[in-house]
Amino acid sequence: DSGVTQTPKHLITATGQRVTLRCSPRSGDLSVYWYQQSLDQGLQFLIQYYNGEERAKGNILERFSAQQFPDLHSELNLSSLELGDSALYFCASSVSPRDMTRTEAFFGQGTRLTVV
Amino acid sequence: AQTVTQSQPEMSVQEAETVTLSCTYDTSESDYYLFWYKQPPSRQMILVIRQEAYKQQNATENRFSVNFQKAAKSFSLKISDSQLGDAAMYFCAYRSALITQGGSEKLVFGKGTKLTVNP
Repeated sequence: DSGVTQTPKHLITATGQRVTLRCSPRSGDLSVYWYQQSLDQGLQFLIQYYNGEERAKGNILERFSAQQFPDLHSELNLSSLELGDSALYFCASSVSPRDMTRTEAFFGQGTRLTVV
Repeated sequence: AQTVTQSQPEMSVQEAETVTLSCTYDTSESDYYLFWYKQPPSRQMILVIRQEAYKQQNATENRFSVNFQKAAKSFSLKISDSQLGDAAMYFCAYRSALITQGGSEKLVFGKGTKLTVNP
């Protein structure tokens, strides 16, 4: 168990709909990252939040948005969904203020999104 | 921008044998971290091993070790005494260590190598 919790594990929705994916980072981790894993694009970085603030953006579509709340959990919102948005979405966390020598990110189990 | 290349889409190994997975990367930075992650059929991303670029000594974790060649920008993973549970996708990943203002600790991944372990 990585300590990173993602819900839901599976999500099936129709094109044009909006969904919200949730992530709870490891206790004390300040950074949350979102990644998309698809067959054709591999693992792509979407966005990072650090202690509530957006820190970096990757290949995130304008239809997608995210936020990190004061309790450090994060949500990824995907709207106007298209068939091509079907993928595995991972959340990862890192940077514990208690141990700044740790550099690795720990991943949740992912949310499998299927758009039909 | 940094890139990571895994040139072997698939590899296979006999149980108890040794296998080496290749990874090369491109960066202009001098300080960074490299990782190998394992993704079994359960799809969980599991950290296997990490290497700090400033360390000359190759990292080892039990049956897993790396061959880090900084000048060649090569970072291969050796799995010794392969076990059936090692069957998975293996991803090589890069992370910058020079986090300037507005920078990110994001991971840049290769496309992965699917490892099959034959009994």
